[in-house]
Amino acid sequence: QTVVTQEPSFSVSPGGTVTLTCALTSGSVSTTYFPTWYQQTPGQPPRTLIHSTNTRPSGVPDRFSGSILGNKAALTITGAQADDESDYYCVLFMGSGIWVFGGGTKLTVL
Amino acid sequence: EVQLLESGGGLVQPGGSLRLSCAASGFTFHNYGMAWVRQAPGTGLQWVSFISATGGSTYYADSVKGRFTISRDSSKNTVYLQMNSLRAEDTAVYYCTRGPRVGSWGTFDIWGQGTMVTVSS
Repeated sequence: QTVVTQEPSFSVSPGGTVTLTCALTSGSVSTTYFPTWYQQTPGQPPRTLIHSTNTRPSGVPDRFSGSILGNKAALTITGAQADDESDYYCVLFMGSGIWVFGGGTKLTVL
Repeated sequence: EVQLLESGGGLVQPGGSLRLSCAASGFTFHNYGMAWVRQAPGTGLQWVSFISATGGSTYYADSVKGRFTISRDSSKNTVYLQMNSLRAEDTAVYYCTRGPRVGSWGTFDIWGQGTMVTVSS
């Protein structure tokens, strides 16, 4: 069974840059998986930050960007702010009507 | 404004049933697939089920296959999740989310606020 993996936790300094990744236990992530990134704070629903690898919905600041880095999907936050401290989830479309979420990354800004 | 509003959650005993509803507004409902995603307390997101824009295709996670049924009523702009034979491990916040447009694949963009389902005796 394919599992989607993310770093369990990450820390970034205010104003710094951090890259979170989303990988497959078997194989490489590509654009055909439509990698999508969500931000979630406690008690709130997920908020879409990036979809289809690198597309930002309207209203999402351009300091959030998505890409493919090597064999993983990546979310880069440039100029981290205190309110970026959240949980970040990726999801991949595996085909055949199946989607798999990563386990999430808890980002600390300090 | 694009909006999804879930309802129907609550406390149910193991083995019981519950039907969740999700009312959509602000977009052309029949142009989009719809999905349910859940989040057990203190854990991550888990995709549960998807229904295509036409309702002609449905998909389920292995953990709910045979117990849950997704459906949609385009006349009411509503998607449903019928949950039977509920187990303690089904306890979670259930989110309704908008999927890809008709004729395409992708992931989920718009999310509801969620409805809590607790399975306990």
